Amino acid sequence: DGGITQSPKYLFRKEGQNVTLSCEQNLNHDAMYWYRQDPGQGLRLIYYSQIVNDFQKGDIAEGYSVSREKKESFPLTVTSAQKNPTAFYLCASSSGTSGTGEQFFGPGTRLTVL
Amino acid sequence: KNQVEQSPQSLIILEGKNCTLQCNYTVSPFSNLRWYKQDTGRGPVSLTIMTFSENTKSNGRYTATLDADTKQSSLHITASQLSDSASYICVVSDYDNAGNMLTFGGGTRLMVKP
Repeated sequence: DGGITQSPKYLFRKEGQNVTLSCEQNLNHDAMYWYRQDPGQGLRLIYYSQIVNDFQKGDIAEGYSVSREKKESFPLTVTSAQKNPTAFYLCASSSGTSGTGEQFFGPGTRLTVL
Repeated sequence: KNQVEQSPQSLIILEGKNCTLQCNYTVSPFSNLRWYKQDTGRGPVSLTIMTFSENTKSNGRYTATLDADTKQSSLHITASQLSDSASYICVVSDYDNAGNMLTFGGGTRLMVKP
């Protein structure tokens, strides 16, 4: 069953803690992306990776970090430096490194800071 | 700055009725435009994709139109069903090969009532 998965579905964090969101895909896609979605706003790009061991900052990278050690995995760490981390986080992947191919989205992780 | 504006922000219709959602964009250079459907708490799923030369594209009860001259697109839903209740997101891609290619609209939240 091919697709893109995210875990956990819900995550609660205390202020000052780092948390890591998982994203895995078995679509053999080269490119992977992390977005943040806030109510009533469009998705905003946090980080993206076009190839293993390489990634670039998106529009709102401050307070976040990523790694791309394997083609199928692109975990996102929300650090304590992120001032307002409560949001819905979406991971996506696409086959084209130019990014004009369709992006397939995971089911999302809802992070709540207590 | 690339922008995608959607209207209305929210819409309530009765089951069986038709509706049209609007999308205006200022993305340049234009590559393609997609409409995504996002159920609450889930990741977006692509409905249609349209390139510069395409004016209309259908996917079942969903029909998207594109006017590249006025930079407007619409998504028409025919004979709405309760399962159409979701957010509909307009996404425009440009030719930037650096990897950050997509501009997302804020979405239209549609509620279909029995």
